[in-house]
Amino acid sequence: DQQVKQNSPSLSVQEGRISILNCDYTNSMFDYFLWYKKYPAEGPTFLISISSIKDKNEDGRFTVFLNKSAKHLSLHIVPSQPGDSAVYFCAGRPETSGSRLTFGEGTQLTVNP
Amino acid sequence: ETGVTQTPRHLVMGMTNKKSLKCEQHLGHNAMYWYKQSAKKPLELMFVYSLEERVENNSVPSRFSPECPNSSHLFLHLHTLQPEDSALYLCASSQDYTGAPETQYFGPGTRLLVL
Repeated sequence: DQQVKQNSPSLSVQEGRISILNCDYTNSMFDYFLWYKKYPAEGPTFLISISSIKDKNEDGRFTVFLNKSAKHLSLHIVPSQPGDSAVYFCAGRPETSGSRLTFGEGTQLTVNP
Repeated sequence: ETGVTQTPRHLVMGMTNKKSLKCEQHLGHNAMYWYKQSAKKPLELMFVYSLEERVENNSVPSRFSPECPNSSHLFLHLHTLQPEDSALYLCASSQDYTGAPETQYFGPGTRLLVL
């Protein structure tokens, strides 16, 4: 049972446009969601997070939206830059699980100049 | 050196070989993790150590044997692996196992190929 799913394995966007990466989850016990970004030959790095009591969190060009009723979250990057090209992982944390995370498969984002 | 380092970065081994993956963190963290990422699959948590004690073992076959001699080092000993064990093995650390999830820092991974 895959609890976190990223149904788009890849996404291609023009520089300056908006990138929208989607993530669906099934575990209603998740109380915290995170997005990680991974460049080739490097480990994933934390990008942005959102608590389940919020529906939006913004950090510069990155905004995460959470729709609890739909069990869906999305990451918006605007404007997209070529340096944003990477694999993006969505992750959920079950309540009271501290640092324990459940990840999705990842989406490869390519931002074309 | 800072952050989380892993060696080797690439490893090719036969099914009868014994090898070990090494992870070292220079962040003063108390929790360390092994993840496996197979092609087109999510990162799967394998083991968690907190203060050098194993706190999670997610139904990982016994051909994978973790070792945490101190809070800065984590090993994954491999023996009689199968070709389907070929994957990227990622190590991570966090301040504490029960702490905020944003504190989880990853190493670059070891790309393992089992022939």
